[in-house]
Amino acid sequence: GAVVSQHPSWVICKSGTSVKIECRSLDFQATTMFWYRQFPKQSLMLMATSNEGSKATYEQGVEKDKFLINHASLTLSTLTVTSAHPEDSSFYICSARDGGGGRDIQYFGAGTRLSVL
Amino acid sequence: GENVEQHPSTLSVQEGDSAVIKCTYSDSASNYFPWYKQELGKGPQLIIDIRSNVGEKKDQRIAVTLNKTAKHFSLHITETQPEDSAVYFCAACYDYKLSFGAGTTVTVRA
Repeated sequence: GAVVSQHPSWVICKSGTSVKIECRSLDFQATTMFWYRQFPKQSLMLMATSNEGSKATYEQGVEKDKFLINHASLTLSTLTVTSAHPEDSSFYICSARDGGGGRDIQYFGAGTRLSVL
Repeated sequence: GENVEQHPSTLSVQEGDSAVIKCTYSDSASNYFPWYKQELGKGPQLIIDIRSNVGEKKDQRIAVTLNKTAKHFSLHITETQPEDSAVYFCAACYDYKLSFGAGTTVTVRA
């Protein structure tokens, strides 16, 4: 299947700092990418939809000024957690939608474990 | 919005036996139903999917069935192996957005 690369896989930061997570589709162009958050032993919760060349669409309850999303190219979306606090510690996962050739499949990155001290 | 329920939450099977996971969805507009396998500390991996115009799909030991009328779909794993142990998520998709079930932790006993 298609490959989605997510970096970093693990990051520890001090409270108050910002952290950027990258999500790249390696062998297809993704006009739409998604960012999820997953707490331990829970399901994936959609945070926002990232659209290439336009503003992201955030789910209800997700602060857009806290979680900045940029989708500057067809293969790259970034999520920046601004002024991180311990409650932001979680597993963040991106996915990229492959809509080419009649397909419509979401492929996921390996996830980023964020620990805020 | 879409609401996906998944059962059971945990499933323990003997190696070689079959495993079945069931999901229901609420929005009849959902038209794509993927299943993902997630191993500890990793991202979800697509294992099989089915679209609303198909009732059943099989890929080697994995099969998925869809009943649009009843709004439920199921994952069947036959001849389970220890490497099938993982958390499995069902999802329903409408307008490109995935709504996930709560997950099923499958343990295959050797």
